[in-house]
Amino acid sequence: QVQLVESGGGVVQPGRSLRLSCAASGFTFSSYDVHWVRQAPGKGLEWVAVILFDGSNKYYGDSVKGRFTISRDNSKNTMFLQMNSLRAEDSAVYFCAKASASGAYFDYWGQGSLVTVSS
Amino acid sequence: QSALTQPASVSGSPGQSVTISCTGTSSDIGGYNYVSWYQQHSDKAPKLMIYDVSFRPSGISNRFSGSKSGNTASLTISGLQAEDEADYYCSSYTSSSTRVFGGGTKLTVL
Repeated sequence: QVQLVESGGGVVQPGRSLRLSCAASGFTFSSYDVHWVRQAPGKGLEWVAVILFDGSNKYYGDSVKGRFTISRDNSKNTMFLQMNSLRAEDSAVYFCAKASASGAYFDYWGQGSLVTVSS
Repeated sequence: QSALTQPASVSGSPGQSVTISCTGTSSDIGGYNYVSWYQQHSDKAPKLMIYDVSFRPSGISNRFSGSKSGNTASLTISGLQAEDEADYYCSSYTSSSTRVFGGGTKLTVL
């Protein structure tokens, strides 16, 4: 069965960096695009970034462009989100999500990793 | 990348039907048949309910249906049940190859 497990969250001071990981299993990781989606406490879902199946292209939401970098290691079935220059408004649960074969929607989600940006 | 527009809340009694709207632009909803809907119960991961405007994944009740007209998509839940009480989010592919979500709708089953 498909599993996505996020890790690396925690409490970090404003301006510092943090790297999240998403370990995938149960499917051919190298064949699918994968996304990061976040949800601030009590708020809605916000799309963060996507990396294509082969890492050839990456796209970002306006609120994280230039600060966050998405990457993947297909040999280790793992995706990453490097978050730099963190702000209080980046505090959220970060979900990784597998894209469908068409790439058009998210068919499986992880349970999320909480990031809190606070001094 | 403005969020899609959803009503903040809807409600209905058991057995009734409710419809949640999701309005975007010609650069997202109106331009592609790539609208999806997700159900999220408190402190849980989102769950796919509808994809490509109107298709249900395996295991999703046929009480859930989706449609689209122009720049507005809709999710209809018929025969409301207590377990349907949750937050619902629409999402669309965009012309920039990004994705966008709606602000979410809280469904209350009275």
